[in-house]
Amino acid sequence: GAVVSQHPSRVICKSGTSVKIECRSLDFQATTMFWYRQFPKQSLMLMATSNEGSKATYEQGVEKDKFLINHASLTLSTLTVTSAHPEDSSFYICSAEDIEFSGNTIYFGEGSWLTVV
Amino acid sequence: GENVEQHPSTLSVQEGDSAVIKCTYSDSASNYFPWYKQELGKGPQLIIDIRSNVGEKKDQRIAVTLNKTAKHFSLHITETQPEDSAVYFCAAMDNQFYFGTGTSLTVIP
Repeated sequence: GAVVSQHPSRVICKSGTSVKIECRSLDFQATTMFWYRQFPKQSLMLMATSNEGSKATYEQGVEKDKFLINHASLTLSTLTVTSAHPEDSSFYICSAEDIEFSGNTIYFGEGSWLTVV
Repeated sequence: GENVEQHPSTLSVQEGDSAVIKCTYSDSASNYFPWYKQELGKGPQLIIDIRSNVGEKKDQRIAVTLNKTAKHFSLHITETQPEDSAVYFCAAMDNQFYFGTGTSLTVIP
């Protein structure tokens, strides 16, 4: 099946710094990518929908100035956590939408563990 | 908007037995229903999906059934193995993607 690559898989950063997470669709073009946050033993929480060439759509309660999303190409979306704080520590997951003849399919990346110290 | 409910939240089965996880949805416009398996510390992996024009789909030990009239769909895993132990999420999609709350499946050797 289609592959979505997410990098880095783990990152530790100091409080106040910014961290960038990349999401790439490796064998298909994704006009739409999604960013999720997941807390332990909970379901995925949608943060924002990223559309190639346009501004991301953020879910209610998600600070767009803190979680910067850029979808500059059909295969790459990035999430930048700005001025990170310990409460931003979490598991961040991206997904990409593959538009196939039979319909759309969503594939997920492997996730990125962010620890802010 | 859509509301997806998933049951049970935890499920333990003996190795070799079958496991069934059920989801219900509220929006009749939803037309795509994937199932994901998430192992500890990893991203969700698509294991099977079904679209609204199909009632059942099978892939080896995994099958999914869809009842559009009742707005529910189920994941069936037969001959379970310890490596099937994971958290399973259902989802429903119309224009947006809605996850169920997850089922933690434990297969006891």
